[in-house]
Amino acid sequence: DAGVTQSPTHLIKTRGQQVTLRCSPKSGHDTVSWYQQALGQGPQFIFQYYEEEERQRGNFPDRFSGHQFPNYSSELNVNALLLGDSALYLCASSFGTGTTEAFFGQGTRLTVV
Amino acid sequence: TQLLEQSPQFLSIQEGENLTVYCNSSSVFSSLQWYRQEPGEGPVLLVTVVTGGEVKKLKRLTFQFGDARKDSSLHITAAQPGDTGLYLCAGGLGDYKLSFGAGTTVTVRA
Repeated sequence: DAGVTQSPTHLIKTRGQQVTLRCSPKSGHDTVSWYQQALGQGPQFIFQYYEEEERQRGNFPDRFSGHQFPNYSSELNVNALLLGDSALYLCASSFGTGTTEAFFGQGTRLTVV
Repeated sequence: TQLLEQSPQFLSIQEGENLTVYCNSSSVFSSLQWYRQEPGEGPVLLVTVVTGGEVKKLKRLTFQFGDARKDSSLHITAAQPGDTGLYLCAGGLGDYKLSFGAGTTVTVRA
């Protein structure tokens, strides 16, 4: 049984570019949440998707957007990249309510130069 | 400002010693999770507690949720080098997100 898978694992982008990160949830899970983890800090909630709709959003600008597909997989898009967007981006999947028993992928390390 | 405050920030102990990590907040949480994260990897769920006063044991790890559901602790008995990692507590406030603490970096020396 595959857990949460994210791609790519590492990515280097230039300031101003756009990036798309991908996530496949754990089998049986229907909810996907995205988190940003800066070095030395705990993960910060970006948004959550359920039934292909954004259900809740954290304190992130509109440059951060997402999508959930009918098979529950999800994408995170970041436009107009800034140096400060460099971080580990984590996808978490869960079932239903989305706040308990969240399982994380290995993350995508994004470096903006 | 972190909703959940973890202490200490860093902890370095010798193999075989015991350690306790604390997670405190002024908010009441509907549930609280503990995760362990290794460098370059995603957090791995260790336990979920939902009832005030609840105590859960996972081999040498003991987790406690405060009676008022505002705080939690993680105690490791006879720590081993394999316990090394970043320990994160995360709470749910009844909405859909998890609010994380900044983490405690635990190093167990052989």
